[in-house]
Amino acid sequence: EAQVTQNPRYLITVTGKKLTVTCSQNMNHEYMSWYRQDPGLGLRQIYYSMNVEVTDKGDVPEGYKVSRKEKRNFPLILESPSPNQTSLYFCASSLSATHRYEQYFGPGTRLTVT
Amino acid sequence: SQQGEEDPQALSIQEGENATMNCSYKTSINNLQWYRQNSGRGLVHLILIRSNEREKHSGRLRVTLDTSKKSSSLLITASRAADTASYFCATDPTGNQFYFGTGTSLTVIP
Repeated sequence: EAQVTQNPRYLITVTGKKLTVTCSQNMNHEYMSWYRQDPGLGLRQIYYSMNVEVTDKGDVPEGYKVSRKEKRNFPLILESPSPNQTSLYFCASSLSATHRYEQYFGPGTRLTVT
Repeated sequence: SQQGEEDPQALSIQEGENATMNCSYKTSINNLQWYRQNSGRGLVHLILIRSNEREKHSGRLRVTLDTSKKSSSLLITASRAADTASYFCATDPTGNQFYFGTGTSLTVIP
């Protein structure tokens, strides 16, 4: 089944404790992206990757890191999480830079930082 | 912010009625997309309309785009209870980044 998977789905952590949210897709997609969703603010793009080893900042990259060493994986790293990073996070992928518009979304990761 | 805005924020209709929601954005775009999100789930792509198109249909969905007014509308005809969800528009002014609106929450009452 073609899908985007995220792990963990739920995470409660404390301020300053480094964490990684994994994202994997099995569709051989080139374009991958991370979003956060907050009430009243909609989805905001954190980082995106056009292909392996190519990443760029989105609208709200502060406090986050990403890497794209393999085509299928695009982990989101919070080096020192803070309470304002409490949010619902989505990973998404699309076929290529040309077909990036139809994005497939993962199920989401609900992160709480206390 | 280049984020779009959907209007209304919430909409409640009876099953069988049509639902119309609007999206306004701030800068010129390459394309505009509409997505659906069921409560707490990931977004699902519904339809894409390119900046040189004015109207597009897909099943019970009809999307219009007016680039002079920087606005788009999504019409869902003959709504069903299963259409209950939040609907978001997304634009790509720079070509690589996406900007989503704040969403319209649609409730279809059986």
